[in-house]
Amino acid sequence: KAGVTQTPRYLIKTRGQQVTLSCSPISGHRSVSWYQQTPGQGLQFLFEYFSETQRNKGNFPGRFSGRQFSNSRSEMNVSTLELGDSALYLCASSLGQVLYNEQFFGPGTRLTVL
Amino acid sequence: AQSVTQPDIHITVSEGASLELRCNYSYGATPYLFWYVQSPGQGLQLLLKYFSGDTLVQGIKGFEAEFKRSQSSFNLRKPSVHWSDAAEYFCAVGAKNAGNMLTFGGGTRLMVKP
Repeated sequence: KAGVTQTPRYLIKTRGQQVTLSCSPISGHRSVSWYQQTPGQGLQFLFEYFSETQRNKGNFPGRFSGRQFSNSRSEMNVSTLELGDSALYLCASSLGQVLYNEQFFGPGTRLTVL
Repeated sequence: AQSVTQPDIHITVSEGASLELRCNYSYGATPYLFWYVQSPGQGLQLLLKYFSGDTLVQGIKGFEAEFKRSQSSFNLRKPSVHWSDAAEYFCAVGAKNAGNMLTFGGGTRLMVKP
């Protein structure tokens, strides 16, 4: 079965712009989590959605937001981009909301902010 | 709050040699522990996980890890490293009632010498 799909794979934006990233989970998976990966801060949890509701949120400013649709696809949005937002954004999908279900990660979207 | 430390940023081993990657965690209750591997340009792949029970867990690709509560450690081992094991390895901790949120260590980059 198809894995987690993230689009676009690469993105270049300038400071002050906004960006929307998309994640399509594995069919049947209802939980989607987002992570930011940077050389300096490593992998940091952004948020988790389950059944269209945000269930957990990491320590990021309000410029970072997300949503989940009824088909479990998820988007994250970053407004007023800053240079420090340059990162690999990973999403992970899982059947449910418990860690007993394996999370499967997508290949990520590489965002570069100039 | 939970945290994960991977003391070794880089490790180089010869092909065929044994490997041990260190991971120390900080968490008040019994943690859920994971090891993931990330190859260049790829997302994360789960190698193994520990929830409870037998403290020595077997994973994919010949990896194993041992949970030692007294040392707050969950070290990853492999008896004989293959060149294809060159990648970055992440230890992560999750909590029982925190959905799918994971806290990751900083990662260890493994290089394999021929």
